[in-house]
Amino acid sequence: QSVLPQPPSASGAPGQRVTISCSGNRSNIGSSPVNWYQQLPGTAPKLLIYNTHQRPSGVPDRFSGSKSGTSASLAISGLQSEDEGDYYCAAWDDSLGGPYVFGTGTKVTVL
Amino acid sequence: QVQLVQSGAEVKKPGASVKVSCKASGYSFTDYYMHWVRQAPGQGLEWMGIINPSGGSTSYAQKFQGRVIMTTATSTDTVYMELRNLTSEDTAVYYCARDLHLVVGQFDPWGQGTLVTVSS
Repeated sequence: QSVLPQPPSASGAPGQRVTISCSGNRSNIGSSPVNWYQQLPGTAPKLLIYNTHQRPSGVPDRFSGSKSGTSASLAISGLQSEDEGDYYCAAWDDSLGGPYVFGTGTKVTVL
Repeated sequence: QVQLVQSGAEVKKPGASVKVSCKASGYSFTDYYMHWVRQAPGQGLEWMGIINPSGGSTSYAQKFQGRVIMTTATSTDTVYMELRNLTSEDTAVYYCARDLHLVVGQFDPWGQGTLVTVSS
């Protein structure tokens, strides 16, 4: 089962902007919507971005998603201490019913 | 409110089986597919499979084929995940997650997680 490579870590001072990349191929990111999940320490993952760039109700507009070809990105602007945690990209691979693949995860640290 | 409540932590011996439950509330149970995802200690998320609560059709990740069974009980709005022939590598937190839109694959919400420990 393939995974989507992400940088293991990212950091920034409060108020700064952090960008996390997610690399895929034509059978996953290149042909499917991308979702992002936030996992704060000791908690279950939470949907942060869906359908590549849409935010669920309640998610601040400091979080934004984008995609270009077979790569996706999550940007966090105006970084806050409560944003510290792990972030995972995810997408269907190949076709509906095929494997759903997650990124390797990026730990965000607020300096 | 929409909620997924999972069963409690389990400790199993190698070779045994475990069955984790996930009870849904706050929405029409049969309208949305359910996924199972696991996370080994200190590791990332791993997709295990998906079940359609309406009818019970399933699709499993190749890694778990032949060892996992996902079932549904519409009378209690509960889905189950049974994993057989456990080894120490199956020690993980197991999550259920509702799929809001199958084509997109947006998991929301997630259950609180069930820790399964495999140890002799």
